[in-house]
Amino acid sequence: GQNIDQPTEMTATEGAIVQINCTYQTSGFNGLFWYQQHAGEAPTFLSYNVLDGLEEKGRFSSFLSRSKGYSYLLLKELQMKDSASYLCAVLDSNYQLIWGAGTKLIIKP
Amino acid sequence: GAGVSQSPRYKVAKRGQDVALRCDPISGHVSLFWYQQALGQGPEFLTYFQNEAQLDKSGLPSDRFFAERPEGSVSTLKIQRTQQEDSAVYLCASSLEGDRGAPNEQFFGPGTRLTVL
Repeated sequence: GQNIDQPTEMTATEGAIVQINCTYQTSGFNGLFWYQQHAGEAPTFLSYNVLDGLEEKGRFSSFLSRSKGYSYLLLKELQMKDSASYLCAVLDSNYQLIWGAGTKLIIKP
Repeated sequence: GAGVSQSPRYKVAKRGQDVALRCDPISGHVSLFWYQQALGQGPEFLTYFQNEAQLDKSGLPSDRFFAERPEGSVSTLKIQRTQQEDSAVYLCASSLEGDRGAPNEQFFGPGTRLTVL
């Protein structure tokens, strides 16, 4: 079966750094996406990784290790508006997006 | 509008009733996807269109679910004889390219929250 695992909930402090991990077991791999979803809103695209390594985009960075089936999303200089769910999704061999359940990130002042 | 729109935003149906959910993708986007998202879960794929062609419907949970995109733009997801387990948020997403193999960013609509009583 296909499986995407990420923590259910994390808490961090405003101004700090947080790392959200994602491990996956899928039939094939054509890239990994991170999306942000505020409560009651649509997911919005954050990053895409298909090669091993770190992709940096402003305060957000995403890392991929294909051999380990592992990715993380790193958020720096946390702001209150970063409170949201962060969804990890893998594009499998059929080019279907397989989604994790999401990590709810709570930012405290 | 600039984004993907969906209507209605909220729908309450009695068990056994038929419903139709509408998605207006971003103009010019070739690919269109429907997802079902249960509370506290990630989206689950339902079906995929490239223009008017439904290329993948492997995620539709039963033959009560039907989707169409007759002119390659607006799409409708229809659920017949709704059941309580159909209660979820139904998300529509579109992407510019038709090549599903390309890492195309999907732009999501706000979703339709369906509650079946």
